[in-house]
Amino acid sequence: AQSVTQLDSQVPVFEEAPVELRCNYSSSVSVYLFWYVQYPNQGLQLLLKYLSGSTLVKGINGFEAEFNKSQTSFHLRKPSVHISDTAEYFCAVRFTSGTYKYIFGTGTRLKVLA
Amino acid sequence: EAQVTQNPRYLITVTGKKLTVTCSQNMNHEYMSWYRQDPGLGLRQIYYSMNVEVTDKGDVPEGYKVSRKEKRNFPLILESPSPNQTSLYFCASSSQGAVNEQYFGPGTRLTVT
Repeated sequence: AQSVTQLDSQVPVFEEAPVELRCNYSSSVSVYLFWYVQYPNQGLQLLLKYLSGSTLVKGINGFEAEFNKSQTSFHLRKPSVHISDTAEYFCAVRFTSGTYKYIFGTGTRLKVLA
Repeated sequence: EAQVTQNPRYLITVTGKKLTVTCSQNMNHEYMSWYRQDPGLGLRQIYYSMNVEVTDKGDVPEGYKVSRKEKRNFPLILESPSPNQTSLYFCASSSQGAVNEQYFGPGTRLTVT
């Protein structure tokens, strides 16, 4: 069965330090990949997406992610975090054919410390 | 302003009393979807719709119904709510076959007692 795994439920990091949020997926067909962010008491908004082409994808707010097909991973990175990056981050996949269903991971809560 | 609206934002109801949560978008999007968010489980897709009169099940459709009679509206119906449907619900919409950004509504917090 297809699934998305975000192993880290919480990640504390000091301000201006780098961060990596991990995402692995399991799928027998090719997928589109997304990262969404949810600030407290709000809906989700798109950070970045991978559809095809270059495996390094740049998004908003200085975030980037790298698609690794052999490891079925799509880890999110930021070289220097700010207090305002404190939020919950969700990795998601959508299959490229056969269905328009989305599968989200369980989320990683990023806590940026002063 | 481009937006997805949901109503109501908060709802407390009792087991078995039918309810509808409305969702409307003003972006002329073809794709619309309903999710529920529960602690530790992330977002799980309930139903989605590729266009008017075209709907399909997500991962957790049991206990829910949807309809898409107009492009802008995608209501979520709970015919006989149960306590395990207590959750935070999000509606979302997207264009172009849903590979573009999904725009999420503000959420509806539902409590079933």
